Amino acid sequence: DAKTTQPTSMDCAEGRAANLPCNHSTISGNEYVYWYRQIHSQGPQYIIHGLKNNETNEMASLIITEDRKSSTLILPHATLRDTAVYYCIVNNYGQNFVFGPGTRLSVLP
Amino acid sequence: ETGVTQSPTHLIKTRGQQVTLRCSSQSGHNTVSWYQQALGQGPQFIFQYYREEENGRGNFPPRFSGLQFPNYSSELNVNALELDDSALYLCASSPDSQETQYFGPGTRLLVL
Repeated sequence: DAKTTQPTSMDCAEGRAANLPCNHSTISGNEYVYWYRQIHSQGPQYIIHGLKNNETNEMASLIITEDRKSSTLILPHATLRDTAVYYCIVNNYGQNFVFGPGTRLSVLP
Repeated sequence: ETGVTQSPTHLIKTRGQQVTLRCSSQSGHNTVSWYQQALGQGPQFIFQYYREEENGRGNFPPRFSGLQFPNYSSELNVNALELDDSALYLCASSPDSQETQYFGPGTRLLVL
């Protein structure tokens, strides 16, 4: 079973920031938080990952709480092309990913 | 640098048949993982190959088998196909067994 819980769906207005939450209250000290997204019927696309510190790349920012029990993926300026299912996964290097149902993000014009 | 590629893109088989799906890993990657994604669900881990050896397996029966070749490309074989095997089959490669996985576009298999 997935070790994360995410909202089933979210809406975001185009041009606004999309903030996708994820709870991982049973995360252990050596587990990373990964985010992937999947646009309809395509392969999942890697977005970002982190261990303790906040991370930022060209696609998104990842904010991890100090106790590491939850995190938020931020898409700073959502576009229609960001409409997808977003998966939050906790993973210990050396294990394979356990995907939950994810959050279906709809970016609205 | 090319990404992960998979072939074929779509495939139709009948119950009881056998199928082979292929994956070319990203340049420089020595690890390939395979996932099955049923409609409306998240991907489920089948197995991983690292340097030509199986390196972990999910809860799938033995009729799901695989190979990894010296160039690190990989095959997924499914024998005695069942209707429930209809799914999107995803391959992911990584630079090493303990690093970020990058997914291919998938092969959509329909079993009739």
